[in-house]
Amino acid sequence: DIVMTQSPDSLAVSLGERATINCKSSQSVLNSSNNRNYLAWYQQKPGQPPKLLIYWASTREYGVPDRFSGSGSGTDFTLTINSLQAEDVAIYYCQQYDSIPWTFGQGTRVEIK
Amino acid sequence: EVRLVESGGDLVKPGGSLRLSCAVSGFNFNDAWMNWFRQTTGKGLEWVGRIKSRGDGETTDYGAPVKGRFTISRDDSKNTLYLEMTSLKAEDTAVYYCAWYLQHWGPGTLVTVSS
Repeated sequence: DIVMTQSPDSLAVSLGERATINCKSSQSVLNSSNNRNYLAWYQQKPGQPPKLLIYWASTREYGVPDRFSGSGSGTDFTLTINSLQAEDVAIYYCQQYDSIPWTFGQGTRVEIK
Repeated sequence: EVRLVESGGDLVKPGGSLRLSCAVSGFNFNDAWMNWFRQTTGKGLEWVGRIKSRGDGETTDYGAPVKGRFTISRDDSKNTLYLEMTSLKAEDTAVYYCAWYLQHWGPGTLVTVSS
């Protein structure tokens, strides 16, 4: 199984500042046949299912604010939230969908400083 | 509008069985590959398994913790996905979600396994 490891486990960021979350996979999730990274980012708020923010490592889902961006390739990925807003307080997860079983990182809790 | 709604979650004793349902609307369920996920406080998000469309053989895959105990099935005439769970253990206690692709998830249904 591919193990996904996020860092940090939690972070506190001032409103309007940048939040950066890292995700590392135990093996590459880059598919050489189509040059796509099978890596997604989700946001989850209490009592709600995960909400897809980013797929293919850097493609923003429709309707997601452009302050959310994803980057990286192979085994190392980053989710960046520029100009943090109060409504961004949540837990963020990375997920690989390159191979079965799909696996998630342990989550990163983002709070307001 | 795409909609998925799980039902069937309950309190069940260890060793017991339960069937979850996921009613869908707003997309062509017949052609959809569907997934089940679960979430616990201790282990976070976990992929339970998936079922392909009938056109792709309706084959299933499962995560190791549930393989041999859980069965995913579908009824395309009812636009409904199922998760049959047997030999339930305390560690199966979780909120169970059905999902289509990555972006469409139901609100979840709670399964509690406890004596």
